[in-house]
Amino acid sequence: AQSVTQLGSHVSVSEGALVLLRCNYSSSVPPYLFWYVQYPNQGLQLLLKYTTGATLVKGINGFEAEFKKSETSFHLTKPSAHMSDAAEYFCAVSVGANSGYSTLTFGKGTMLLVSP
Amino acid sequence: GAVVSQHPSRVICKSGTSVKIECRSLDFQATTMFWYRQFPKQSLMLMATSNEGSKATYEQGVEKDKFLINHASLTLSTLTVTSAHPEDSSFYICSARGLLAGSGRYNEQFFGPGTRLTVL
Repeated sequence: AQSVTQLGSHVSVSEGALVLLRCNYSSSVPPYLFWYVQYPNQGLQLLLKYTTGATLVKGINGFEAEFKKSETSFHLTKPSAHMSDAAEYFCAVSVGANSGYSTLTFGKGTMLLVSP
Repeated sequence: GAVVSQHPSRVICKSGTSVKIECRSLDFQATTMFWYRQFPKQSLMLMATSNEGSKATYEQGVEKDKFLINHASLTLSTLTVTSAHPEDSSFYICSARGLLAGSGRYNEQFFGPGTRLTVL
């Protein structure tokens, strides 16, 4: 079975500072990895995903993440935080993604707080 | 493309009543739909997976007789919370996956905006 660990339930940064949200996964087979953002009382929006190929993945809103197999990590970064980035971020893993029955396993989430 | 809607967005009901939540894929055919439950400040927990035309597969600990799921068409799945109680109050989110015409994209789940259920 796969699992996801997000270090830090809350991360606080100043506007313009680097954003780093940590995600480590556990999987016995090559995983597909995702980062989602959730604004209050809304569903999830996909930021980016890693399936195969290039390990540095660029997503929407200036976010990117790097798949590091040796470290079993998929940390999310953004060079310069914006006030609108304040939200809950979820890392998720899926295995057997080509199967019609694959499911997502989510981490517990990290709340990103951005101060002026 | 790839829009998933949920209705209603918010519902308040009395204890003992049943509530139906609809999940629709608006611009693609969803062969599989997923229902999640999210408690305040917590992650999403998968409740069940439903494939069009077949019975839903429930996760361990989820009562199938309490949370009735129907996936009768490729664009609609419903979750009915039967005899709701205050402990059923939660944020329910659906997601859908299928083949997007002309895109070659199949495996990504697209999430609905969620339904806030409050049981008094």
